Amino acid sequence: KAGVTQTPRYLIKTRGQQVTLSCSPISGHRSVSWYQQTPGQGLQFLFEYFSETQRNKGNFPGRFSGRQFSNSRSEMNVSTLELGDSALYLCASSLVLRQTNSPLHFGNGTRLTVT
Amino acid sequence: TQLLEQSPQFLSIQEGENLTVYCNSSSVFSSLQWYRQEPGEGPVLLVTVVTGGEVKKLKRLTFQFGDARKDSSLHITAAQPGDTGLYLCALKTSYDKVIFGPGTSLSVIP
Repeated sequence: KAGVTQTPRYLIKTRGQQVTLSCSPISGHRSVSWYQQTPGQGLQFLFEYFSETQRNKGNFPGRFSGRQFSNSRSEMNVSTLELGDSALYLCASSLVLRQTNSPLHFGNGTRLTVT
Repeated sequence: TQLLEQSPQFLSIQEGENLTVYCNSSSVFSSLQWYRQEPGEGPVLLVTVVTGGEVKKLKRLTFQFGDARKDSSLHITAAQPGDTGLYLCALKTSYDKVIFGPGTSLSVIP
């Protein structure tokens, strides 16, 4: 069974540009969530999608957005990039909208560098 | 706002030593998960603890959930270089968000 796939693996952008990251969940998983990981802030929750609807959102500005398609694949978009957006962006899928013991299955992330 | 703290932040030990890392919450939580993240990869779930006082063992790893359900610990016996990584605890909030602690970065030196 294929794991969570994130593309691209590495990305370099300049300030002011926008970027789109892609995530393909494990087959059959309908919930996809996104996290930003930085050395200073750790893993921070961005948002979660289930059945093409955003179900939860973290405390990030509106420049961060996402969507989910009917096949459960998800994309996240960051507009007007800032230097502070440099981070590892992780996508995680789970079988159902997170219940107490439902594990998250993470991809290996997209490393975004903003110059 | 529910906060998770982990200690120590960094740990460097020799192969064969034992160690314990801790996860503490500002409030009671219903369950807690431990993940390990190796360099260049995403976190991988190790265990979920649900019941206060619960102890779970995974080979050389022992996970304990505090009686008051506000803390958890991970004990590794006879650490090996393959145990190197970032250990993260995570809990689900009442709003269905999963929040992560800042992690303990473990380095096991051969």
